[in-house]
Amino acid sequence: TQLLEQSPQFLSIQEGENLTVYCNSSSVFSSLQWYRQEPGEGPVLLVTVVTGGEVKKLKRLTFQFGDARKDSSLHITAAQPGDTGLYLCAGARKYAGNMLTFGGGTRLMVKP
Amino acid sequence: EPEVTQTPSHQVTQMGQEVILRCVPISNHLYFYWYRQILGQKVEFLVSFYNNEISEKSEIFDDQFSVERPDGSNFTLKIRSTKLEDSAMYFCASSERDHGYTFGSGTRLTVV
Repeated sequence: TQLLEQSPQFLSIQEGENLTVYCNSSSVFSSLQWYRQEPGEGPVLLVTVVTGGEVKKLKRLTFQFGDARKDSSLHITAAQPGDTGLYLCAGARKYAGNMLTFGGGTRLMVKP
Repeated sequence: EPEVTQTPSHQVTQMGQEVILRCVPISNHLYFYWYRQILGQKVEFLVSFYNNEISEKSEIFDDQFSVERPDGSNFTLKIRSTKLEDSAMYFCASSERDHGYTFGSGTRLTVV
């Protein structure tokens, strides 16, 4: 069974602070995807990282894929209340029907 | 922005009844998926579908479940005889390859 451990589960910070969310596994994935999910909605893709060591930036969000393609991190700089939400990581396995294994999620609250 | 459309948004059914959940994937995507999320739990993979056949399925996807792409645009999930524990949000997704997923907004299935 492939598992993705996401940490922390909950994070409450003040506006302007930085934070990092981690996603770790003992398994290798063909790609690692980060999603944001609002209550009652489907996950919305933020970014996909494919190459070991890859770093992608999306405004104040920086995503990194580990060299061994087993772990990833999401770093948010100068968090804003609009960043509040549930962040999910998911690992894809290309040779298993492209199935995604999801982490348990990090619920972020940014207080003004 | 292309969307994955799911209907209905909410379905209430009696235990033992058959339900069909419907999805219209993004038109140029080749891979189709169903996932589910029980309230408060992780998003779980059910099945992936490519080239008109199932390419991977999870342990959850037992004989009570089936998928079909009846007309080249719709992608359906059928549960033959629903159980209370089938109550969950069911998400359809599609992708071009092993990344670039787009999820629908989900169908909330309530089995009573």
